[in-house]
Amino acid sequence: NAGVTQTPKFQVLKTGQSMTLQCAQDMNHNSMYWYRQDPGMGLRLIYYSASEGTTDKGEVPNGYNVSRLNKREFSLRLESAAPSQTSVYFCASSTGGIMGYTFGSGTRLTVV
Amino acid sequence: DQQVKQNSPSLSVQEGRISILNCDYTNSMFDYFLWYKKYPAEGPTFLISISSIKDKNEDGRFTVFLNKSAKHLSLHIVPSQPGDSAVYFCAASGSNKFYFGSGTKLNVKP
Repeated sequence: NAGVTQTPKFQVLKTGQSMTLQCAQDMNHNSMYWYRQDPGMGLRLIYYSASEGTTDKGEVPNGYNVSRLNKREFSLRLESAAPSQTSVYFCASSTGGIMGYTFGSGTRLTVV
Repeated sequence: DQQVKQNSPSLSVQEGRISILNCDYTNSMFDYFLWYKKYPAEGPTFLISISSIKDKNEDGRFTVFLNKSAKHLSLHIVPSQPGDSAVYFCAASGSNKFYFGSGTKLNVKP
């Protein structure tokens, strides 16, 4: 089925470890996004890529890096994980502009 | 500071009655608004949208109302069904990205 695929679904890291969250979409969407969801905070934008080859910071970019590898793939990297990065991470894609997003099913990350 | 706010973290409604979920925003430049529905362990899914040039959009049991002067939108679900139990996020569009509220957890009791 067409959509947004995120891997892994679950991950536990120790403080200071690094990891990359993977996201791929097969809808030929131009724009891709990384959000984190925390209780009482809703969905907050970490980074986004309006088109292949471009990336921009969102509301909460500190501690993260991203790579738009090609039109399909947009990865999120934590270089040195901290407990404050414990969250559920969602990748999304869209055709850009005012159209809504298609979200992946999320990655639940725990940093101990 | 959050530009989109949902001040009710939860709402409980009896099956068959109306559910009203509210959302406020601060940026008058937002031009498009959406509601998303999220079940546990799944990503949010698009529910209904409204452009800033309209004040109402209806899709089956779901109606979204927009009051631009008050910077307020609401989602009405009539009649509510147990399968509607989920977290509902409102979102507003600005600068090629969406800003989300903190969500309202709706519980529809049989």
